[in-house]
Amino acid sequence: DAGVTQSPTHLIKTRGQQVTLRCSPKSGHDTVSWYQQALGQGPQFIFQYYEEEERQRGNFPDRFSGHQFPNYSSELNVNALLLGDSALYLCASSLLAGGRNEQFFGPGTRLTVL
Amino acid sequence: QQQVKQSPQSLIVQKGGISIINCAYENTAFDYFPWYQQFPGKGPALLIAIRPDVSEKKEGRFTISFNKSAKQFSLHIMDSQPGDSATYFCAASPANSGYALNFGKGTSLLVTP
Repeated sequence: DAGVTQSPTHLIKTRGQQVTLRCSPKSGHDTVSWYQQALGQGPQFIFQYYEEEERQRGNFPDRFSGHQFPNYSSELNVNALLLGDSALYLCASSLLAGGRNEQFFGPGTRLTVL
Repeated sequence: QQQVKQSPQSLIVQKGGISIINCAYENTAFDYFPWYQQFPGKGPALLIAIRPDVSEKKEGRFTISFNKSAKQFSLHIMDSQPGDSATYFCAASPANSGYALNFGKGTSLLVTP
């Protein structure tokens, strides 16, 4: 049973560029949450997707957007990249109908903005 | 605003010792408290979690203690091993599915041989 997978593993971009990160949830899960983890910090919630719609959003600007596909996989898009966007981007999957907030994380995508 | 405060920032424990990490929260809507373990270059892995209807939960060498009145909870790692060296994060959220996890800033644990 595959866990949460993310691609790519690493990514280097320059300021002003756009980036797309991808996530496949754990088998049987229907909800995907994205978190940003800066170096030496805890993960910070970006947003959550369920039934192809954004359910919740953290304190992140509109440059951060996402999408969920019918197979529950998800994308995170960041436009107009800033140096401060350099971080580990984590995807977590869960089962909304499960009644418990157990979230399982993928290995993350390390984004470096130069 | 940090909704979950975690201490200490770093911890060094000898092999066989007890590692203790503490967390505190303010939001009374929180009733699900997981702990995650993260190794360098990896994503956080769910270690153990507790609901406030119990004061303690034990899984192997890992124990969560919970004090609802003080709004504090802690992770105890008994018989700490070098392989336990990692960063540990506490988190909190409402228990029902579909809520964002609010993480502490993490504790870097080093277990020396």
